[in-house]
Amino acid sequence: EDKVVQSPLSLVVHEGDTVTLNCSYEVTNFRSLLWYKQEKKAPTFLFMLTSSGIEKKSGRLSSILDKKELSSILNITATQTGDSAIYLCAVGTNFGNEKLTFGTGTRLTIIP
Amino acid sequence: DADVTQTPRNRITKTGKRIMLECSQTKGHDRMYWYRQDPGLGLRLIYYSFDVKDINKGEISDGYSVSRQAQAKFSLSLESAIPNQTALYFCATSDNRGDYNEQFFGPGTRLTVL
Repeated sequence: EDKVVQSPLSLVVHEGDTVTLNCSYEVTNFRSLLWYKQEKKAPTFLFMLTSSGIEKKSGRLSSILDKKELSSILNITATQTGDSAIYLCAVGTNFGNEKLTFGTGTRLTIIP
Repeated sequence: DADVTQTPRNRITKTGKRIMLECSQTKGHDRMYWYRQDPGLGLRLIYYSFDVKDINKGEISDGYSVSRQAQAKFSLSLESAIPNQTALYFCATSDNRGDYNEQFFGPGTRLTVL
């Protein structure tokens, strides 16, 4: 059975801090790893990492895939209150990512 | 207008009732999905559809059925709702043109079964 584990489950930091969220996976036929941000309701896509693209960066957010360690980290620097959300990690295990296995998420709270 | 819409957004129903959740998309994607989200369990796949004639069970399809009425519409039915189907339900869509396709989510339907 495919498994995706995220840590920590929740994290509370002050505005301006840097945070690192972790995602590890045990799956057959790994194809890609995706990060989503879930604020009020709908998860919104952040990054996709694959064997041909193991690092992604967008503004203050960056992510790295470690295929040897079967894990990924999501870094957020200079955090803002708008970064408060649940961050979801998902792993795609077949062509085209038809099937994603999600972790339970990390709830990040930024205190002003 | 939102690319992926879900109706209703909130629903309270009673045990044993039949209920349908609807999803529409304007993204032109062929692939559509239904997930449920429970606290501490993350998102779990109920059903997915590659096109109008291709529907597949996900990891937790028992107690649910789906209908793909058109490329843009995918509905989820609970034939006889039970309290442990209380959850947040998401519809998602994805393209089929690349090797790797991210999924785009609708706003969710919060369903409560009493």
